[in-house]
Amino acid sequence: EAGVAQSPRYKIIEKRQSVAFWCNPISGHATLYWYQQILGQGPKLLIQFQNNGVVDDSQLPKDRFSAERLKGVDSTLKIQPAKLEDSAVYLCASSSESGSGRISYEQYFGPGTRLTVT
Amino acid sequence: AQTVTQSQPEMSVQEAETVTLSCTYDTSENNYYLFWYKQPPSRQMILVIRQEAYKQQNATENRFSVNFQKAAKSFSLKISDSQLGDTAMYFCAFLGGTSYGKLTFGQGTILTVHP
Repeated sequence: EAGVAQSPRYKIIEKRQSVAFWCNPISGHATLYWYQQILGQGPKLLIQFQNNGVVDDSQLPKDRFSAERLKGVDSTLKIQPAKLEDSAVYLCASSSESGSGRISYEQYFGPGTRLTVT
Repeated sequence: AQTVTQSQPEMSVQEAETVTLSCTYDTSENNYYLFWYKQPPSRQMILVIRQEAYKQQNATENRFSVNFQKAAKSFSLKISDSQLGDTAMYFCAFLGGTSYGKLTFGQGTILTVHP
């Protein structure tokens, strides 16, 4: 079974530029998560999709961050314009649904994209 | 809101010895899940072990076991017979029963296993 795929693995941009990250979850996983992991900290959830609908985006800085999952499969996360404090690893994760339709507790993570904003 | 605290930024252990990583959490929920995730230097996060709050028995997965103290809101991870491959950042994480999948992570503990 292929894991969660993310690209690019590394990205360096200047502040005020824009950047986009891509994630392809495990096949069949309905729920997709984007996390931001600042160096030395635990991951923080930015946005959660179930199929192509948003479940939770309460911690997404909506003035500069946007995310979409148009067909309920892969997803893109965009930052425009980037700030120095956006330097972090952006992790994508996915999970399946249990037989009762509830979200499975186990999340599978991708390798992450390390963003450096200079 | 739930919080997860890992008070040990770094730990080290000799190969083949046992080490315990600490985690405390705060919640008003009664039904929830707790996890330990491992993040090796390559950054891919993997699940090590999970504990359902309604289960009194501590979870065990091979060399990994937990000490779950619900009243004290404590959830420590014990790694027995430590191996060099156990070197990684370890995160404690909380999932509320009504959180629809939203994990809350602690700050992490860097574990180094020395030969």
